[in-house]
Amino acid sequence: DVKVTQSSRYLVKRTGEKVFLECVQDMDHENMFWYRQDPGLGLRLIYFSYDVKMKEKGDIPEGYSVSREKKERFSLILESASTNQTSMYLCASSLADVTGLNYGYTFGSGTRLTVV
Amino acid sequence: AQKITQTQPGMFVQEKEAVTLDCTYDTSDPSYGLFWYKQPSSGEMIFLIYQGSYDQQNATEGRYSLNFQKARKSANLVISASQLGDSAMYFCAMIPGGGADGLTFGKGTHLIIQP
Repeated sequence: DVKVTQSSRYLVKRTGEKVFLECVQDMDHENMFWYRQDPGLGLRLIYFSYDVKMKEKGDIPEGYSVSREKKERFSLILESASTNQTSMYLCASSLADVTGLNYGYTFGSGTRLTVV
Repeated sequence: AQKITQTQPGMFVQEKEAVTLDCTYDTSDPSYGLFWYKQPSSGEMIFLIYQGSYDQQNATEGRYSLNFQKARKSANLVISASQLGDSAMYFCAMIPGGGADGLTFGKGTHLIIQP
């Protein structure tokens, strides 16, 4: 069963800590994404990557960075965690080339991060 | 830039009734794709249905259908014969013709099916 795996389901970190959220996909997808989900706001795109070592800012990149050293792994980094980064974080991957626009997005189960 | 609007924050529906979840969108791209996802309390995002802007017919997938009205920029999800397991958050999303910049999501509708 193909999947996107996020390393932690729940995470509690202290303000000011450097936090790494890991995402691994086994579908050989070129594209990977990090979203943040907050009640009443839906999902908002933080960063995405088209290929290894490539990254693009999404709608809310401030306070975050990413790393993609291998095709299957996309990491989200909170350089200095703050309480307003308490949220659910969802990773997704997709194909790069399709007929039409259904890129076959697959999502991980999410990491619920609490910053105290 | 794309925008998705879901005007129903929450809905209560009796089991076995049909449900319509509203979604309107705004884009200047002539080509785009529209999606619906289900998110149960466990958190995973489950793909339900896809509609391309140039598709002539409304998409259907089992009990799910997408009522696509292009002129009105509307892409409502219809669930026929609702079941208790349909209780979840539902998100409408779109992707522009360029394709690879990620999905833009609405704020979601929390659907609760009552026995």
